[in-house]
Amino acid sequence: QKEVEQDPGPLSVPEGAIVSLNCTYSNSAFQYFMWYRQYSRKGPELLMYTYSSGNKEDGRFTAQVDKSSKYISLFIRDSQPSDSATYLCAMSVNSGNTPLVFGKGTRLSVIA
Amino acid sequence: EAGVTQFPSHSVIEKGQTVTLRCDPISGHDNLYWYRRVMGKEIKFLLHFVKESKQDESGMPNNRFLAERTGGTYSTLKVQPAELEDSGVYFCASSPLLPGLASRSSYEQYFGPGTRLTVT
Repeated sequence: QKEVEQDPGPLSVPEGAIVSLNCTYSNSAFQYFMWYRQYSRKGPELLMYTYSSGNKEDGRFTAQVDKSSKYISLFIRDSQPSDSATYLCAMSVNSGNTPLVFGKGTRLSVIA
Repeated sequence: EAGVTQFPSHSVIEKGQTVTLRCDPISGHDNLYWYRRVMGKEIKFLLHFVKESKQDESGMPNNRFLAERTGGTYSTLKVQPAELEDSGVYFCASSPLLPGLASRSSYEQYFGPGTRLTVT
């Protein structure tokens, strides 16, 4: 069983739609949860960071963590064509100075 | 401020040859990580430097891979001899030892654009 499972998509939505991206994980020791966004031919860029369970909102983006279900989500409201990218979930056991464990990434296309 | 840079952006070599990838982290970042993404798979951790010391090399696939970080600045990852299964995108990431005020997380890892390695 992989440590982190993420549906690779691709996912195609119309502009303005609400997008839901999800990951499940098996390692209950994970405490730090991140969403990275990667544009084509670029490196991953941190989008959202959450510690333990709960919600975090940043503009049009909301990250949710449910540790009891080992399930994390990223919601994008009012999606824009510029949101078209690959979204990667990543996790770590400790904060800082530790390697990240990634999901495969979900490729998202927002159609104008 | 310059981000993490990697060189070359793309390398095509034949099986059995040697390739050296270079990463220049953000100035002042003592943590340096190497990751790799093989086609169709997730990004996987290779190793972690703190300054010039190898903190964790548990992800290195075998002894054909050699990473160095002389003087705690830039790092190189050498593959010798290269095999077909080494093809993929190699990412480097860096982070400070202590969180900065501008960081969106305690210890955000900043990624470079990657080096695409193709072994034929």
